[in-house]
Amino acid sequence: EDQVTQSPEALRLQEGESSSLNCSYTVSGLRGLFWYRQDPGKGPEFLFTLYSAGEEKEKERLKATLTKKESFLHITAPKPEDSATYLCAVQALDQGAQKLVFGQGTRLTINP
Amino acid sequence: KAGVTQTPRYLIKTRGQQVTLSCSPISGHRSVSWYQQTPGQGLQFLFEYFSETQRNKGNFPGRFSGRQFSNSRSEMNVSTLELGDSALYLCASSRGQGEDEQYFGPGTRLTVT
Repeated sequence: EDQVTQSPEALRLQEGESSSLNCSYTVSGLRGLFWYRQDPGKGPEFLFTLYSAGEEKEKERLKATLTKKESFLHITAPKPEDSATYLCAVQALDQGAQKLVFGQGTRLTINP
Repeated sequence: KAGVTQTPRYLIKTRGQQVTLSCSPISGHRSVSWYQQTPGQGLQFLFEYFSETQRNKGNFPGRFSGRQFSNSRSEMNVSTLELGDSALYLCASSRGQGEDEQYFGPGTRLTVT
């Protein structure tokens, strides 16, 4: 069964304090790995898609990387507006292309 | 370009009733997927529709059903509501090809009493 585990469950940082969120996955064959950001009371907002080990993508203070078993979301010099829950999801090759399996998320709080 | 819209945003229903939720995808998107989000189980895939056909289904009972119209708008129906159906129901749209990213709507918050 496809599984996605995110750690830590919650993370508190001071403004400017860089850190990384982890997403480990077990899937028979990876079609794609997705990162989303979700603010309270809203739907997830798409951030990145990664397809193969070694791939990296960046957007403002965020950088996502992918290995064969896990992905990292690096946050550099975060600001309070980066506070949100970050969700990781995988699409498996043996499942329908649009079926995403999500992790439980990491709740990130950036204190000013 | 307009995002994914969902109506209604909030619903309160009584156990045993049925409910219909609506989703309008981004213009040009032909795939609509539905997810249930709860604090305990997180985000779980319900089903996906593409060109009016259910293309994929998650592990939910038959009380959960859906359909898609020719304009790609989709509805989700839950019959014989149970207390455990209280959740945020999210729909997501995409072009429906390969590993296209999905764009989510704001969700419908369903409370079953």
